[in-house]
This record gives sequence, structure tokens and C-alpha cells, in this order.
Amino acid sequence: DGGITQSPKYLFRKEGQNVTLSCEQNLNHDAMYWYRQDPGQGLRLIYYSQIVNDFQKGDIAEGYSVSREKKESFPLTVTSAQKNPTAFYLCASAGQGAFFGANVLTFGAGSRLTVL
Amino acid sequence: KQEVTQIPAALSVPEGENLVLNCSFTDSAIYNLQWFRQDPGKGLTSLLLIQSSQREQTSGRLNASLDKSSGRSTLYIAASQPGDSATYLCAVTRIKAAGNKLTFGGGTRVLVKP
Repeated sequence: DGGITQSPKYLFRKEGQNVTLSCEQNLNHDAMYWYRQDPGQGLRLIYYSQIVNDFQKGDIAEGYSVSREKKESFPLTVTSAQKNPTAFYLCASAGQGAFFGANVLTFGAGSRLTVL
Repeated sequence: KQEVTQIPAALSVPEGENLVLNCSFTDSAIYNLQWFRQDPGKGLTSLLLIQSSQREQTSGRLNASLDKSSGRSTLYIAASQPGDSATYLCAVTRIKAAGNKLTFGGGTRVLVKP
């Protein structure tokens, strides 16, 4: 079955530590995205990548970093510079035509990060 | 800057009643609008996508309408069932938005009581 796998599902971090959230897709999608969701709020875009070795900042990129070395993988690192990292993180991907908004996004199941 | 609002934030209905969920957006220059479903602690599932040139889309018991000029979309769910309990989010894509970036509303949390 094709889909998006996010890991870990739950992650606890002490203040000052960097953590990396994994996102892997086997849908052969070109575009991948990271969103953050806070309780009762909509999703906010952190970073997105349209092709391998290229990525762009979203609306709330400060304190986060990404890489796109392979088409299938788009890991997100939450750095110690992120002041309020406790949230639900969602990874998504979209196939050909995504640039023009023609395709729906496919989402992973999410990773919940809690800072202790 | 595009803002997307969903009111009410929460809704509770008895089983069998029709659901009406509202979404409003401030900038009518959209490429498309999508409705998603999110179960607690899970990712999002796309329900319907309406292109800016369309007025409505239907899938089974779901019907979504779009009125660009007034900046509104409505999701109708007919004959609601307890399994429809979830959070429903709408999202818009701006015209010529690079990278298919979506702007999301805060969602409406729906509870269908048996």
C-alpha cells in the first residue's frame, strides 16, 4: 500500500535538545510539506519541498530545519531555537501538478512532540 | 493575507440530522478549496476538492458548495451517523501560489450522538 509514514508517533524532548521527525513516502510524489497543528487551530506550514535538494520556508520556519536528499524522505528537525515546540506535526505529499494546486495532499498520521 | 475561518468551532447533533459546516475566506482570489476530515490524533483525509470555476462537488452523502464572490464554502453531510464524528477542516490554495500551499481554517469539531 502506498502512503506516508511518520515516526515516531510520540516524542518527548527536554528543553534545549534538537529532535528530528521522520517522514517517508512511497507514492512517488514530487512535493512534500511539513505542517504544525496546535490544539483547536488549523495547520500552519513550516517548510515545503517541490523537488529533491530544494526546499522553501513556509509561514513559521523559524526554529526548524529540513533536508530533501531523497525523493522519498523529508525529515524535519526541531531545534532548540524553537521557543514553543510542543505540537502535533503533520507531513504531507502531493504528486504531479501539485505546483498548480491541481492535486490533493496526502497526509501522514502525524507525530506528537511534547517538551518536558 | 488570506484568512480562513470556520464557525462554529464545535457542533453536536443527533444521529440522522443533516450537518451544515461553514467556511469563510477573506481573499476571493483562490485556485481551489478543499475539505478535510481529521480523526483525533490522526492525519487529514481529503474529502472534496472544489476548483475555483466550480460551484459544488458531491461525493456520497457529502456535498460542498463554493461561492467565491462572497468568500464562502459550505459542507453538507446528509443523514449524519456516529462515524461522522470528527474535526472537519477547510483549506484554500491561492491563485498562482507556488508549491500548492494551503491556508487552513481552525476546523469544526463534530459530534454525532447515537
